[in-house]
Amino acid sequence: DAGVIQSPRHEVTEMGQEVTLRCKPISGHNSLFWYRQTMMRGLELLIYFNNNVPIDDSGMPEDRFSAKMPNASFSTLKIQPSEPRDSAVYFCASSLGRGMAETQYFGPGTRLLVL
Amino acid sequence: DAKTTQPPSMDCAEGRAANLPCNHSTISGNEYVYWYRQIHSQGPQYIIHGLKNNETNEMASLIITEDRKSSTLILPHATLRDTAVYYCIVRVDMEYGNKLVFGAGTILRVKS
Repeated sequence: DAGVIQSPRHEVTEMGQEVTLRCKPISGHNSLFWYRQTMMRGLELLIYFNNNVPIDDSGMPEDRFSAKMPNASFSTLKIQPSEPRDSAVYFCASSLGRGMAETQYFGPGTRLLVL
Repeated sequence: DAKTTQPPSMDCAEGRAANLPCNHSTISGNEYVYWYRQIHSQGPQYIIHGLKNNETNEMASLIITEDRKSSTLILPHATLRDTAVYYCIVRVDMEYGNKLVFGAGTILRVKS
């Protein structure tokens, strides 16, 4: 049974370029979460979807960040334009249920480096 | 805005029990305590959660004090593969549901 799938696993890009991160949640899960992890700030929730609808995007740092979930099996996190301070590991997680209290299953992460 | 306090690091001998403490003195009556861990370069992994009773599963045991202001995660026989960052999290209730806020965690080093 496949877990949460993220792509790419590693991304190196130059400042100003658009970056798109992809996530496929576990089949049947109806909640999806995007997190960012850095040494300075730890693990931060960026946005949370339930049944493909964004419920809480208060963690999205600024307008350069956007997330979509067009269907139950796919989500994207886009950064446009990217900046060096966006360098981090981005995790996607999914769960079955409405709130975040349900067990979240994390993907392997995408390591983003913006030069 | 994490609601928990954990020691930054701990060491444990392989094969011995690892006891990881967590203080959550401002916890509300209906807030759960969750534990996740993150092994180097991997995504966080759920371990266990509880409200007021002690809980046990195949990975660990969770002991919550009677006043619920602190808890201890117990790994009964730690192995080298248990070396990880362990996060103690109190669920934050929001208008739409609830939210998990990860703190800095405890780095557990299991040594042979």
